[in-house]
Amino acid sequence: NAGVTQTPKFQVLKTGQSMTLQCAQDMNHNSMYWYRQDPGMGLRLIYYSASEGTTDKGEVPNGYNVSRLNKREFSLRLESAAPSQTSVYFCASSYQGLGEFFGPGTRLTVL
Amino acid sequence: AQTVTQSQPEMSVQEAETVTLSCTYDTSESDYYLFWYKQPPSRQMILVIRQEAYKQQNATENRFSVNFQKAAKSFSLKISDSQLGDAAMYFCAGDSNYQLIWGAGTKLIIKP
Repeated sequence: NAGVTQTPKFQVLKTGQSMTLQCAQDMNHNSMYWYRQDPGMGLRLIYYSASEGTTDKGEVPNGYNVSRLNKREFSLRLESAAPSQTSVYFCASSYQGLGEFFGPGTRLTVL
Repeated sequence: AQTVTQSQPEMSVQEAETVTLSCTYDTSESDYYLFWYKQPPSRQMILVIRQEAYKQQNATENRFSVNFQKAAKSFSLKISDSQLGDAAMYFCAGDSNYQLIWGAGTKLIIKP
C-alpha cells in the first residue's frame, strides 16, 4: 500500500517550458488535491477533484491545468512555467472526513 | 466563509515538557471535522489527529490530544512528554465542502 505517490521528486525548468506533475493514490479515495507551498508559507490549494470526472479551481489556479485521469490519478500541468511558480507541490487524497493524505511533494525550480 | 486561525507563529518547549498549540475554527456548520497536521523539515505532511465536531469526547493519539471547545470554536493540540522529533510546523485545518481550510501554522521548537 504505497498511499499517495508523486513524480518527479525534483524538477528544474526554464521559463516558458511546460511539464506535468503526476500523482496517484491507491487508497480508493474519491477526492484529490493539488497544493503549492512556498518557502516559509502554508499550503495554498491550486485545484481539486471532488470525485472522478470533476475538477474545480482552488485559491491559486492561474497558470495551471489539471486532469483527473481516473479515480487513482490526478495530474497537474504547467503550460508555460514562470519563476513565480517555483515552489513545492503536494498532491493529496481524501475520503469523507478522514482528512487528507499527502504525497512526498515535488520540488520545482523555474529559472 | 470558514476561517482557521493559528495565532502563535512560533512556540518553544523543553524536551519532556508539555506544550499546547492553539487554533480557532470559525464555521456556521454544525457537523464538521478538524485536524492537526505535522510538517517536519522533510516537508512531508503527516496527519497527527482528527476530531469529529459532533463527538463530545476529545481525541487522543498516544502523546497527542486535543481540547475541542465547540462553542468557543477552539481546537488546541496538547503534546505531552515533548521529544526532539516533535520539532516541526503544525497546521490546524477544518473541512468544508470537499476541501480543508488551513491555518497559517505554528513552528514548534524543542529545546534539549
